[in-house]
Amino acid sequence: GAGVSQTPSNKVTEKGKYVELRCDPISGHTALYWYRQSLGQGPEFLIYFQGTGAADDSGLPNDRFFAVRPEGSVSTLKIQRTERGDSAVYLCASSPRGSGRANEQFFGPGTRLTVL
Amino acid sequence: GQQVMQIPQYQHVQEGEDFTTYCNSSTTLSNIQWYKQRPGGHPVFLIQLVKSGEVKKQKRLTFQFGEAKKNSSLHITATQTTDVGTYFCAAPSGSARQLTFGSGTQLTVLP
Repeated sequence: GAGVSQTPSNKVTEKGKYVELRCDPISGHTALYWYRQSLGQGPEFLIYFQGTGAADDSGLPNDRFFAVRPEGSVSTLKIQRTERGDSAVYLCASSPRGSGRANEQFFGPGTRLTVL
Repeated sequence: GQQVMQIPQYQHVQEGEDFTTYCNSSTTLSNIQWYKQRPGGHPVFLIQLVKSGEVKKQKRLTFQFGEAKKNSSLHITATQTTDVGTYFCAAPSGSARQLTFGSGTQLTVLP
């Protein structure tokens, strides 16, 4: 079956612009996660959705970052007034369920964001 | 917040040599996961360890979870060029739904 997909694969924008990154999780997966990965580092947690609601947004660095998942499947990560420091690969992952214990997460290919 | 320390950062081996990466936490972990990321790719789940002292094998890969559940290791026997990539350990933190990743060990296998 299809895995997690993310669009666009690459996004180049100018400082101060607004960007949207999209994630299509594996069908039926109720848990969805956004991570950010800088070069040479491990993925850094941003936000977790269980169904439509953001169950944990403690990883969002500031209020320029926002994410939605209105119908419990596709999610959009929105970044306002982009800064050069936002440049990274943004990874989306999904898992069959979110419980009190972490489960295997299936990662998408990521969106490489470059802010000039 | 919780931190997971991973060493070494880089490892170069000749094909056929063994490889080990280590992961350490200052706090007791409920479980630990291992992921592999090929160059230019995304993390792919390898395994999850839950029990104290647990050892799991996948062909040439051996995963261990320490008795105190504060450390873990991944050992690859007789590396092959297909083993090239970065290996990450990851542990639940915060709400226990997010994963905190180690910084990874980048493995290069020289033919």
